[in-house]
Amino acid sequence: KAGVTQTPRYLIKTRGQQVTLSCSPISGHRSVSWYQQTPGQGLQFLFEYFSETQRNKGNFPGRFSGRQFSNSRSEMNVSTLELGDSALYLCASSTGGSQETQYFGPGTRLLVL
Amino acid sequence: DAKTTQPPSMDCAEGRAANLPCNHSTISGNEYVYWYRQIHSQGPQYIIHGLKNNETNEMASLIITEDRKSSTLILPHATLRDTAVYYCIVYNFNKFYFGSGTKLNVKP
Repeated sequence: KAGVTQTPRYLIKTRGQQVTLSCSPISGHRSVSWYQQTPGQGLQFLFEYFSETQRNKGNFPGRFSGRQFSNSRSEMNVSTLELGDSALYLCASSTGGSQETQYFGPGTRLLVL
Repeated sequence: DAKTTQPPSMDCAEGRAANLPCNHSTISGNEYVYWYRQIHSQGPQYIIHGLKNNETNEMASLIITEDRKSSTLILPHATLRDTAVYYCIVYNFNKFYFGSGTKLNVKP
């Protein structure tokens, strides 16, 4: 089975712009979770989507949003980018059960100038 | 939100067993302990998980204390490629809370 894929892998934006990142889960997986990783804050949970519905949410401002499509692919959007949004954004997929293992993609590295 | 405590770094000689401890004293009865590792800012790689019993797979062994307040990940024969940050995670209902992890340095 192909693993989790994320596009693009690298992205440079300027402050105030918005960005959309994409994640394709492992075939058959219905849950997609998003994480932000920065040197200062480490890996932090953003949100999780299951069957096109947001099921869990971390403590991030409303500028961070996401959605999931009927084929389980997910996108996350960050509006009005700030310098502090520079990070590695990771997505992970699982079958969606309460204790199912999550499998991570390679991440998208976003640099905000 | 992190519910785990790990030493920031550890060294291990190549070929020797690496024992990585984790404290999760506030774990609830239905929360699993998961271990992942991350190499060079790649996506975290799943290693092993468990609830109460000790677990073993082709990568590692997981020893969970009887009171479930701590666990140890064992890499039986560490190689240079095992150098990575290892995360111990208490997992409940699709939400991972990553702590700071342990940077394992495997040395020749």
